[in-house]
Amino acid sequence: AQSVAQPEDQVNVAEGNPLTVKCTYSVSGNPYLFWYVQYPNRGLQFLLKYITGDNLVKGSYGFEAEFNKSQTSFHLKKPSALVSDSALYFCAVRSKGYGQNFVFGPGTRLSVLP
Amino acid sequence: DAGVTQSPTHLIKTRGQQVTLRCSPKSGHDTVSWYQQALGQGPQFIFQYYEEEERQRGNFPDRFSGHQFPNYSSELNVNALLLGDSALYLCASSFGGAMYSNQPQHFGDGTRLSIL
Repeated sequence: AQSVAQPEDQVNVAEGNPLTVKCTYSVSGNPYLFWYVQYPNRGLQFLLKYITGDNLVKGSYGFEAEFNKSQTSFHLKKPSALVSDSALYFCAVRSKGYGQNFVFGPGTRLSVLP
Repeated sequence: DAGVTQSPTHLIKTRGQQVTLRCSPKSGHDTVSWYQQALGQGPQFIFQYYEEEERQRGNFPDRFSGHQFPNYSSELNVNALLLGDSALYLCASSFGGAMYSNQPQHFGDGTRLSIL
């Protein structure tokens, strides 16, 4: 069975500082990993994905994520946070192979303080 | 390029009633998945429709059913509503059914369903 953990309900960071939102996963076989962001009263917006290859993937709005197979982690990062980055962030996993569903983590609320 | 559209945006029902939610996928997409997002939680997979058939289903009771039309739009039906069905219902679209599992899904803004 697939599962995703986001160990922090809330992350607070000052504007201009680097941010990290943590994600660990459990899946049989090799995973596809995704990050989504959700603003109030909106659906989820795709940020980035890891499929294969380079462990550091770059996505939208200056976000990047680092895949670590040995630690089964896929942490989201940004070098310099903006107040507009404040939102709910979801990590999701999908096993390779036909018929595998997305499994989402519980979400982490990011607050960037001016 | 139209994204995923859902209707209505908000809905209030009472226990025991039934509800139908609607979704039009992003242009070029042929696969629709439905998710339930309870307050403070991540989305939970309900089911996926491709080629007008339910292809995959999550851990939801038979009260939850759906349909996909030839134009790829989809409906989610929930019967005998319970208080616990109150949630944001999200529709997500993609291409090619479950074949392309490395592709992201594109989400609509959801329907907020409140059960009184």
